[in-house]
Amino acid sequence: EPEVTQTPSHQVTQMGQEVILRCVPISNHLYFYWYRQILGQKVEFLVSFYNNEISEKSEIFDDQFSVERPDGSNFTLKIRSTKLEDSAMYFCASNRVVGNEQFFGPGTRLTVL
Amino acid sequence: SQQGEEDPQALSIQEGENATMNCSYKTSINNLQWYRQNSGRGLVHLILIRSNEREKHSGRLRVTLDTSKKSSSLLITASRAADTASYFCATNNAGNMLTFGGGTRLMVKP
Repeated sequence: EPEVTQTPSHQVTQMGQEVILRCVPISNHLYFYWYRQILGQKVEFLVSFYNNEISEKSEIFDDQFSVERPDGSNFTLKIRSTKLEDSAMYFCASNRVVGNEQFFGPGTRLTVL
Repeated sequence: SQQGEEDPQALSIQEGENATMNCSYKTSINNLQWYRQNSGRGLVHLILIRSNEREKHSGRLRVTLDTSKKSSSLLITASRAADTASYFCATNNAGNMLTFGGGTRLMVKP
């Protein structure tokens, strides 16, 4: 069964460094998302992406964040200058039709020291 | 305002018993989805119920939706130890985004 994959599973970085989290959505899906979950807290929406542009973003998704679909399979989240409070689990998700179930990847645990 | 709040926050039952988790939300929705998360792992989609549906079944799962009360419930029948996980409701309204609740931590004791 097709699934969303994410790499790396765990990323440790120093405050101020740039990180890129990678996702491979399900191949025939058209809508892509990033969410994050700070330890012990709710899953929070960051951004949705369709047709090579951002369709929605939350207040969390400020100028430090960017997303890109560099090729036909990858979907990336870049954090330009990481802060301690960016430490969280980051989930990528995708779906084929807006309003249908979203399929989540296993997540990347980001630890900012 | 908080969209998608589950109760109880934690639930502990014996294997074979039924588990009921509730979710309340504040704004109008297109659909409501339930997800499961094992400790430290990804989110697994369980079931989606649309705003014009009142009840939906999938295996041992039964979901109800009451849009007049802005609430939903997830019932897991004949629970198993493997059902131990956190369960989240998530609402989808006008756009693409899902708004998650805080989750119910379910423990099923063998």
